[in-house]
Amino acid sequence: DTGVSQDPRHKITKRGQNVTFRCDPISEHNRLYWYRQTLGQGPEFLTYFQNEAQLEKSRLLSDRFSAERPKGSFSTLEIQRTEQGDSAMYLCASSSNRGYEQYFGPGTRLTVT
Amino acid sequence: AQSVTQPDIHITVSEGASLELRCNYSYGATPYLFWYVQSPGQGLQLLLKYFSGDTLVQGIKGFEAEFKRSQSSFNLRKPSVHWSDAAEYFCAVVAFSGGYNKLIFGAGTRLAVHP
Repeated sequence: DTGVSQDPRHKITKRGQNVTFRCDPISEHNRLYWYRQTLGQGPEFLTYFQNEAQLEKSRLLSDRFSAERPKGSFSTLEIQRTEQGDSAMYLCASSSNRGYEQYFGPGTRLTVT
Repeated sequence: AQSVTQPDIHITVSEGASLELRCNYSYGATPYLFWYVQSPGQGLQLLLKYFSGDTLVQGIKGFEAEFKRSQSSFNLRKPSVHWSDAAEYFCAVVAFSGGYNKLIFGAGTRLAVHP
């Protein structure tokens, strides 16, 4: 069990650029979640994958956001035409079908200048 | 709708003192509850969970939490705080919707520890 990993850990980009983040869940976990955390707040749910199927998206996930999980393994989160309001920590979590515990990665901190 | 309230934004305690962090939830049925800890710039680490059964649950790092249905609370406690416990603590409840579940988090309590 190597834990959930995320890459990159930090990303600084200019407004209007596209960015992509990667998440590698715990290998036997088939559920994968993305959350966003802004300063001074708890994480907020963005989207959920069961294997390769994206089953739920939050209203926070505007049309500029897209997430994929090809083959039910790693996942990517892409933000197009970034805005300053997108600056946040993006957290990935995974869980198994046998429980409700979610295990989080270290997060990707995005700064949009 | 489910929600979690952590009334204390910031708490400061002395090293060796006891600690209690408050969490109140809003949920119609029996809730599934968690406490997570987040060190600066890091992800969240699971401290403990409550699903059912004994209302006093033990977690890692010497933490425990007590579920009180009558008060809709799930407070986190530690008898003697160490300087390394300085971090942000989040309470969360599982929300069920359409065959999947997600976590609803409180805004967090930032703990500072004085030597």
